[in-house]
Amino acid sequence: QKEVEQNSGPLSVPEGAIASLNCTYSDRGSQSFFWYRQYSGKSPELIMFIYSNGDKEDGRFTAQLNKASQYVSLLIRDSQPSDSATYLCAGINAGGTSYGKLTFGQGTILTVHP
Amino acid sequence: EAGVTQFPSHSVIEKGQTVTLRCDPISGHDNLYWYRRVMGKEIKFLLHFVKESKQDESGMPNNRFLAERTGGTYSTLKVQPAELEDSGVYFCASSQYRLYEQYFGPGTRLTVT
Repeated sequence: QKEVEQNSGPLSVPEGAIASLNCTYSDRGSQSFFWYRQYSGKSPELIMFIYSNGDKEDGRFTAQLNKASQYVSLLIRDSQPSDSATYLCAGINAGGTSYGKLTFGQGTILTVHP
Repeated sequence: EAGVTQFPSHSVIEKGQTVTLRCDPISGHDNLYWYRRVMGKEIKFLLHFVKESKQDESGMPNNRFLAERTGGTYSTLKVQPAELEDSGVYFCASSQYRLYEQYFGPGTRLTVT
């Protein structure tokens, strides 16, 4: 079982719709979670992080964390074609010497079509 | 403020050769990380420096990989000798006080033929 799993996609949504990206994790010691966006051939770019159960909103983005279900999601409201990218979910277990180690999922490709 | 830079952007070498990748973190960032993505797989952690010290090298695949961080500034990752399975994109990232906010460089695409 992968430590962090994302729905493989690709996910295609029309412009203006809500895009929902999901991620599950197996390490119960994981404490914080991150969503990175990666355009083709570019570096991953941090867009949101969350460490408390519940929702965290930042502009058009909402991250959700449910530690009991070991589930993380990212909602993108009013999706734009410029949101088309690969979205990477990552977790971190701050215990021990590996406190800086991000564990990534394989990524979900999102396409927003006009 | 300049971001994380990596050099070279691409490298094509033959099996058995040596390659050295370089990463310059964001100025003032004490934490530097190396990650790798091989074809079709997720990005995987290789190691973490705090200043010039190796904090965590649990992700280094084998002793053909050697990472250094001279004076706590730039870092190099040497692969010697390179094998076919070393092909992939090598990312460097850095962070300062907020360890979790890691900023990634553009990556070095390594192809071993």
